[in-house]
Amino acid sequence: KAGVTQTPRYLIKTRGQQVTLSCSPISGHRSVSWYQQTPGQGLQFLFEYFSETQRNKGNFPGRFSGRQFSNSRSEMNVSTLELGDSALYLCASSAGTVSYEQYFGPGTRLTVT
Amino acid sequence: AQKITQTQPGMFVQEKEAVTLDCTYDTSDPSYGLFWYKQPSSGEMIFLIYQGSYDQQNATEGRYSLNFQKARKSANLVISASQLGDSAMYFCAMRVMNMEYGNKLVFGAGTILRVKS
Repeated sequence: KAGVTQTPRYLIKTRGQQVTLSCSPISGHRSVSWYQQTPGQGLQFLFEYFSETQRNKGNFPGRFSGRQFSNSRSEMNVSTLELGDSALYLCASSAGTVSYEQYFGPGTRLTVT
Repeated sequence: AQKITQTQPGMFVQEKEAVTLDCTYDTSDPSYGLFWYKQPSSGEMIFLIYQGSYDQQNATEGRYSLNFQKARKSANLVISASQLGDSAMYFCAMRVMNMEYGNKLVFGAGTILRVKS
């Protein structure tokens, strides 16, 4: 069974631009969560999508948004990039609402210059 | 609100010895799960072990065991017979088992473990 995939793996953007990251969960998994990891703030929850609906949202500005498609693939978008958005973005997939097992992808490392 | 505290920024252990990584948590919800993840330098988060708040016995997974002390709100990870490949960042995390929170994980700051040969 294929694991969680994230594309692209590395990305360099300029301040003010926008970026879209993609996450494909494990086949059959309906929940996708996104996390931001920085040296200063650690791992922080961005949002979770379940069956195409946003179920939970972390404390991030509206520049961070996401969506989930009918095949459970998810995208997150960051508009008007700031230097502080440089981070490793991880997504995690889970089978459902009661399953405790969450499997993480390899992450997308975003650098904003 | 939920909080995870890992007080050891870094740890060293000799190869083949056991090591304990500390984790304390705080939540007012009675139903929760505690997780440990390993993050090598490549960045991927690898699930190691899980303990539910109602589980009577401490969880074990191969060389990993979780020392769960509910009254003290601690969930320490014990790695037995350390190997060089265990060198990585280790995160303790918690999830409240409540529909309101979904699959949201709250992470601690992490502990860097270095295994010496």
